[in-house]
Amino acid sequence: SQQGEEDPQALSIQEGENATMNCSYKTSINNLQWYRQNSGRGLVHLILIRSNEREKHSGRLRVTLDTSKKSSSLLITASRAADTASYFCATEATDSWGKLQFGAGTQVVVTP
Amino acid sequence: NAGVMQNPRHLVRRRGQEARLRCSPMKGHSHVYWYRQLPEEGLKFMVYLQKENIIDESGMPKERFSAEFPKEGPSILRIQQVVRGDSAAYFCASSPTVGTTGELFFGEGSRLTVL
Repeated sequence: SQQGEEDPQALSIQEGENATMNCSYKTSINNLQWYRQNSGRGLVHLILIRSNEREKHSGRLRVTLDTSKKSSSLLITASRAADTASYFCATEATDSWGKLQFGAGTQVVVTP
Repeated sequence: NAGVMQNPRHLVRRRGQEARLRCSPMKGHSHVYWYRQLPEEGLKFMVYLQKENIIDESGMPKERFSAEFPKEGPSILRIQQVVRGDSAAYFCASSPTVGTTGELFFGEGSRLTVL
């Protein structure tokens, strides 16, 4: 079964608004990561949160992790048109050092 | 410091031909991962290699697919006798040898189209 399911599948917002997307997973993890992918390009790492952390910030990004619910959220504040991309969560399971399992992603469109 | 380099970026093959995709990890990285992405989907793990060793190939199809990461040169993902269902983007990622943060560094991908 798929590890790391994002919700929603697609999100359309206007510049300046916040974008929130969620990720659920099934197994115990070492860490959870968020990646961004622009159309036709490779993935770019955004932020990593370890299993013993609950919240992490990086610039306009805020990530939360609830290991009891096996869920995470990514918040992008004050969105910009350049934030338009697909966002993927990925989990590193406790028995799979180095190997990441990706979700299907959330497509975010930010309109000027 | 060049990033992960993949080539070719685009590859077209007819059914039954072979596809060879190459990946050079970032300098100083000796862990290489291959992922496959179908349109509108996430990445699916295929194989994890270190120099001269396959560490985890649990995501590789049992037939026609093979991967290697020789002592010298790039990692190669080889698909023999390609079928239309092999059409996808294939991404390579690398990570450092020691003190890894868990972050993977991805290449731009190789997009295979099987006619």
